[in-house]
Amino acid sequence: DVKVTQSSRYLVKRTGEKVFLECVQDMDHENMFWYRQDPGLGLRLIYFSYDVKMKEKGDIPEGYSVSREKKERFSLILESASTNQTSMYLCASSTRREKLFFGSGTQLSVL
Amino acid sequence: DQQVKQNSPSLSVQEGRISILNCDYTNSMFDYFLWYKKYPAEGPTFLISISSIKDKNEDGRFTVFLNKSAKHLSLHIVPSQPGDSAVYFCAAMDTGTASKLTFGTGTRL
Repeated sequence: DVKVTQSSRYLVKRTGEKVFLECVQDMDHENMFWYRQDPGLGLRLIYFSYDVKMKEKGDIPEGYSVSREKKERFSLILESASTNQTSMYLCASSTRREKLFFGSGTQLSVL
Repeated sequence: DQQVKQNSPSLSVQEGRISILNCDYTNSMFDYFLWYKKYPAEGPTFLISISSIKDKNEDGRFTVFLNKSAKHLSLHIVPSQPGDSAVYFCAAMDTGTASKLTFGTGTRL
């Protein structure tokens, strides 16, 4: 089975802090994605990557950056956390762009 | 601009009956559609998909119907079971320009 592991289930951070969300997949997938899930808004794509050191902006990249130094690892970085970034963050990977395998999510609260 | 919409935030169905979840899209370039299912405290899992060259795809109790002229798709679950209680997301993509899935807002069944 494909396993996508997100480093933290819950995180509480303060406004202005730099936040790192880590994601690791064990199936040698080329593609990795970061989404956030908010009530009434569904899943919205933040950033994605089709290869090591490659990244592309999704629909809501503002306030975020990403890093993909190794194929199995995709990190989401909040440079200066704000309260409107309180959300459920979901990492996903795939070999085919349409069929994604998701991690369990990280619930981030920014106070 | 919400390109994929699920207008029913929630749906309640009796065990054994049919559940019908609906999804509308606005981008006529979308040509591949998927449904994902999400339980609390878990990530979404792939359920079923359909290409725009088809109007129906079936997998066990789950059937997805696509009406391209109406830009509408629906997921039918027959018969519904208690374990089907979850949030269902539809998603769409334009395989020509590729890149990414656009998700709907979800329906809690």
